[in-house]
Amino acid sequence: EVQLVESGGGLVQPGGSLRLSCAASGFTFSNFWMTWVRQAPGKGLEWVANIKQDGSDKYYVDSVRGRFTISRDNAKNSLYLQMNSLTAEDTAVYYCATHRGASWTYWGQGTLVTVSS
Amino acid sequence: QSALTQPPSASGSPGQSVTISCTGTSSDVGGYNYVSWFQQHPGKAPKLMISEVSKRPSGVPDRFSGSKSGNTASLTVSGLQAEDEADYYCSSYAGRNSYVFGTGTKVTVL
Repeated sequence: EVQLVESGGGLVQPGGSLRLSCAASGFTFSNFWMTWVRQAPGKGLEWVANIKQDGSDKYYVDSVRGRFTISRDNAKNSLYLQMNSLTAEDTAVYYCATHRGASWTYWGQGTLVTVSS
Repeated sequence: QSALTQPPSASGSPGQSVTISCTGTSSDVGGYNYVSWFQQHPGKAPKLMISEVSKRPSGVPDRFSGSKSGNTASLTVSGLQAEDEADYYCSSYAGRNSYVFGTGTKVTVL
């Protein structure tokens, strides 16, 4: 059974940093592009970042480029999102998802990031 | 990257059909056959219902169908059931390795 489990969310002050993790199991992690998608409270979904199977290619939405870094460790079946210079607009539930064919088949349950003083 | 436009709400009685539109531009919906649809129940993760405009993943009922004409994609739910009540989001590849989601539609089963 495919499982994606996010962790690392929490309350952080504006300007602070946070590192999210996504533990994958039940499939060959190294075969998939992976994605982070976020959803602000009561709002819609927003694609955040993608990473290629070997980590060689990474892409970001304009609003996080230069502040967020997506990475992965295939040996640990794990995906990460390092988030720096956080603002209130980054407050959201962050989901990791498997990416194939310009879509996302499997999703984690999400982890909530709250940026507030 | 502007969000794709969806109607805020749609509704139908059990057994009826409801169609949700997703309007973009020639740079996203109209430019690629990479439109997906997701169902999201309150407090839950999104679930893929349709990929590549009209492909249904394994396990998704054939009551769900997708299509596209020009810059507008559509999701039709036929034979509405109570469990179809949820938020629905479209997404599209937008070129240069970027993706955009729709604004979301709340479907109510009357």
